[in-house]
Amino acid sequence: QVQLVESGGGVVQPGGSLRLSCAASGFTFSSYAMHWVRQTPGKGLEWVAVVSYDGGNKYYADSVKGRFTISRDNSKSTLYLQLNSLRAEDTAVYFCAREDIVVVGTAVDAWFDPWGQGTLVTVSS
Amino acid sequence: QSVLTQPPSASGTPGQRVTISCSGSNSNIGSNSVNWYQQLPGAAPKLLIHSGNQRPSGVPDRFSGSRSGTSASLAISGLQSEDEADYYCAAWDDSLNGWVFGGGTKLTVL
Repeated sequence: QVQLVESGGGVVQPGGSLRLSCAASGFTFSSYAMHWVRQTPGKGLEWVAVVSYDGGNKYYADSVKGRFTISRDNSKSTLYLQLNSLRAEDTAVYFCAREDIVVVGTAVDAWFDPWGQGTLVTVSS
Repeated sequence: QSVLTQPPSASGTPGQRVTISCSGSNSNIGSNSVNWYQQLPGAAPKLLIHSGNQRPSGVPDRFSGSRSGTSASLAISGLQSEDEADYYCAAWDDSLNGWVFGGGTKLTVL
């Protein structure tokens, strides 16, 4: 059974740091790109970052660039998100998600499946 | 404010057909496929439609997706009470070099 389980959320003061983890099971973790997506309380979804299957390529949303770092340990089937210089607006539930793709001619279709259950990060003094 | 625009709410009675729209631009929906996610109350998002109109295994054929130009739609036929959820569209944006989501549509089954 394919499963993603996040951990590491909590309450942190503005300017503080936190590291989130996402433990994967039921599939070959090292074969898939992985993403972090967040959801602010009562609001919509916002893509945060992606890391390639081997960790060699990483991309970030402008809102977190320079403050957050995505990484992975394929030997442990675990995805990470290091959150630094946290702000009140970073308060959200953080989900990890696996990227699935299909190649259609020269185009690549991608989507997120599955998603973890999420971990809540609250930035407050 | 989300890059993709969805109506905040939609509703229908059991058995009805409802559609949810998602409006974008040439850099996202106009050039890349759209995915739809369903989020039941208190749960994580779940993939509903990928590549514009493809249903993953286990998703009823009551759900269908389509695209026209820079807009996409999710149609739900034979509406059921368990369809009451939030629905989000998403697409890759070539200009932003990132994924963008709609603001979500809360579907109420009356």
